[in-house]
Amino acid sequence: KQEVTQIPAALSVPEGENLVLNCSFTDSAIYNLQWFRQDPGKGLTSLLLIQSSQREQTSGRLNASLDKSSGRSTLYIAASQPGDSATYLCAVRERGSTLGRLYFGRGTQLTVWP
Amino acid sequence: DAGVTQSPTHLIKTRGQQVTLRCSPKSGHDTVSWYQQALGQGPQFIFQYYEEEERQRGNFPDRFSGHQFPNYSSELNVNALLLGDSALYLCASSPYRRQGKNYEQYFGPGTRLTVT
Repeated sequence: KQEVTQIPAALSVPEGENLVLNCSFTDSAIYNLQWFRQDPGKGLTSLLLIQSSQREQTSGRLNASLDKSSGRSTLYIAASQPGDSATYLCAVRERGSTLGRLYFGRGTQLTVWP
Repeated sequence: DAGVTQSPTHLIKTRGQQVTLRCSPKSGHDTVSWYQQALGQGPQFIFQYYEEEERQRGNFPDRFSGHQFPNYSSELNVNALLLGDSALYLCASSPYRRQGKNYEQYFGPGTRLTVT
């Protein structure tokens, strides 16, 4: 069974720092991996999607990498801002199922203070 | 493009009651998935609908059931509510017919269900 783990569970940093959030998964047979942002009590906003054949995706100050063989992904946030404060979730889409369900980690709760 | 919409936003029910949650997918999407997110946890997969049929189901009891309509919208029904059913229920849609299994999922804002 696929299990997704995110480290750290929580992170509090001053504005301007560069950050790395980690995600690991136990079964490397995946179609893709998605990083999401969730504000308190809200739905999920997709940040980046990395297909299993890709190594990296970038969007603005965000960069996500994928090492499928080792079951790891990292989300790099450059020059963090207070508006980046949210919970960041990692999810993998497994192979071998009908349409591919998502398996989520528990998230990293990020606080960026001015 | 309205994106994925869900109704209602919030709901309070009593133990033993039944509830129906609704989801309209993003325009052009044909697949709907439902997830349950308890406080402080990651979302857990409930089930997924495509072509009006349940295609895959997570580890949830039969009290959880669903339906997909010809216009691709979907309902989640929960019978005999328990206190432990209190959670944020998220709906996600994706364009399976157009993109296959490599699709990206788009989530709605969720329905907050409180069972007292």
